[in-house]
Amino acid sequence: DGGITQSPKYLFRKEGQNVTLSCEQNLNHDAMYWYRQDPGQGLRLIYYSQIVNDFQKGDIAEGYSVSREKKESFPLTVTSAQKNPTAFYLCASSMAQGRDTQYFGPGTRLTVL
Amino acid sequence: SQQGEEDPQALSIQEGENATMNCSYKTSINNLQWYRQNSGRGLVHLILIRSNEREKHSGRLRVTLDTSKKSSSLLITASRAADTASYFCATAKTNAGNNRKLIWGLGTSLAVNP
Repeated sequence: DGGITQSPKYLFRKEGQNVTLSCEQNLNHDAMYWYRQDPGQGLRLIYYSQIVNDFQKGDIAEGYSVSREKKESFPLTVTSAQKNPTAFYLCASSMAQGRDTQYFGPGTRLTVL
Repeated sequence: SQQGEEDPQALSIQEGENATMNCSYKTSINNLQWYRQNSGRGLVHLILIRSNEREKHSGRLRVTLDTSKKSSSLLITASRAADTASYFCATAKTNAGNNRKLIWGLGTSLAVNP
């Protein structure tokens, strides 16, 4: 059963802590993306990766970091440098980077206490 | 930056009615895509229309694209309560080089009342 998974579904963090959000896909897609969504808002691109061991900053990369050591996995770390991290985080993948249809995971809701 | 702009921002209709939402964009595109998002969930791809296409159908969905006006519309016919969701358009720009990525609109929130 192919798809894209994110974990955990809900995450609580104390201020000053780093936290890592997991994203895994078994669709054999080359490209992966991380988006942030705030209430009533559209999607803002944090980071994207076209291929293993390569990634680029999106529109709001400050305070976030990623790695792409395996094709299937694209974890996102929200660091303590991110000023307002409470948001809904969505991971997506596509066959190739850019124009293709994107497939989304169910999302992780991060709340900073 | 957001290229797509959907309107209306919110739409409330009765079950059985048709729902139309629009998306405008600013630059030349390779394709335009529509996605649906149920509350608290990930997005689901609905339909992709290429710049050389004018209309596309999928079940109760009809998408049109007018590249001269840089706009697209999504029509949902005979709406159901289950169509209640937010709908987003996303555009893929032409000639974007290595910076090819989808540009997202802010979405239309559709409520279908039983």
